[in-house]
Amino acid sequence: DAGVIQSPRHEVTEMGQEVTLRCKPISGHNSLFWYRQTMMRGLELLIYFNNNVPIDDSGMPEDRFSAKMPNASFSTLKIQPSEPRDSAVYFCASSRGQPEGAFFGQGTRLTVV
Amino acid sequence: KNQVEQSPQSLIILEGKNCTLQCNYTVSPFSNLRWYKQDTGRGPVSLTIMTFSENTKSNGRYTATLDADTKQSSLHITASQLSDSASYICVVRGSGNTPLVFGKGTRLSVIA
Repeated sequence: DAGVIQSPRHEVTEMGQEVTLRCKPISGHNSLFWYRQTMMRGLELLIYFNNNVPIDDSGMPEDRFSAKMPNASFSTLKIQPSEPRDSAVYFCASSRGQPEGAFFGQGTRLTVV
Repeated sequence: KNQVEQSPQSLIILEGKNCTLQCNYTVSPFSNLRWYKQDTGRGPVSLTIMTFSENTKSNGRYTATLDADTKQSSLHITASQLSDSASYICVVRGSGNTPLVFGKGTRLSVIA
């Protein structure tokens, strides 16, 4: 299995632009998670899906952030419009159930200038 | 407030030496605690998970302990190797609606 696949690995964009991050979970996993990691705040859970349905989005910082999971093998995290404070590494993870058992992707390093 | 505090923030040790990383938490009610290793530029990888009834669990040179009474956990690394250089993150899961709480990690550097 290739593991959780995220794209792009790196993204540099100008403030105000729309950013879309993509994730392909491990086949057979029914839970998918989006995390953000910064030096100041560490890892933060943004949202998680179970069987393609958003279960908890309380970690999504504001309305500029949205996430979708149209099917079991694909999810997106969109930021529109992006701001410099959104610069971070965004991880996608998947698991069979609980988040603490999640397998992480390699992350997307986002830089908003 | 549910919190996870890790110490030290960073640590430098010589190859072959042992070290212990600490994790204190206030998450309640408690379900389990997991240690992750995160290499630079990569996602976290789970090392071990501890439930309420478990005191010690080993994974190769890594040994985790849990004291649910004092709400403390430690990760002991024996005979460190250069490849142990990474961030080690402690994550505590609460029961019911209690959220998953992440520590900010300990940055370990093993030098020759």
